[in-house]
Amino acid sequence: GAVVSQHPSRVICKSGTSVKIECRSLDFQATTMFWYRQFPKQSLMLMATSNEGSKATYEQGVEKDKFLINHASLTLSTLTVTSAHPEDSSFYICSAVRDKRYFGPGTRLTVL
Amino acid sequence: GENVEQHPSTLSVQEGDSAVIKCTYSDSASNYFPWYKQELGKRPQLIIDIRSNVGEKKDQRIAVTLNKTAKHFSLHITETQPEDSAVYFCAASTDGSARQLTFGSGTQLTVLP
Repeated sequence: GAVVSQHPSRVICKSGTSVKIECRSLDFQATTMFWYRQFPKQSLMLMATSNEGSKATYEQGVEKDKFLINHASLTLSTLTVTSAHPEDSSFYICSAVRDKRYFGPGTRLTVL
Repeated sequence: GENVEQHPSTLSVQEGDSAVIKCTYSDSASNYFPWYKQELGKRPQLIIDIRSNVGEKKDQRIAVTLNKTAKHFSLHITETQPEDSAVYFCAASTDGSARQLTFGSGTQLTVLP
């Protein structure tokens, strides 16, 4: 069964609003979670590494103030897309490591 | 850092034929190589992985081969079926685990009935 859950699966929002995406590890503790962005027919692009109890590590070119990451507990990491714009529309996927790397089901964000 | 190149970007095969997807990596310290299958709109799922101390690994119709000298590894799918149609990603890691993964660009496999 799934070991990483993600919520919501789909979200549509207006330009300028903020959207929060939750990623949970099920039945295991994940001190580190990974957030990816995926455009249609493209690979997974690592946005940031979320670390429990400390600041996230962002990849080059990813705006920290726009994509806020909080890893408040050992089973929950959140990604908040602030002041969303149409170009932020994408498929966002989180991931965590147990024995192997597991991915959440993804969140389809559409910004109107 | 590590760079992983994957070919081809698209691959179409007839049902029952074999499919081969190839990846090369740049960092000779890489020692863990997983393959993921992603169906449209779904999460990537691990289908097979191999470590650098092994040259080949097989699981039913899926096999992965690793050539450390040439720094490349390949996914082989035999007796392809329509449900094998998906995007396949290779990845490489230098820490022996799935923590730090560098992904390939993906291969869209289409199995024609």
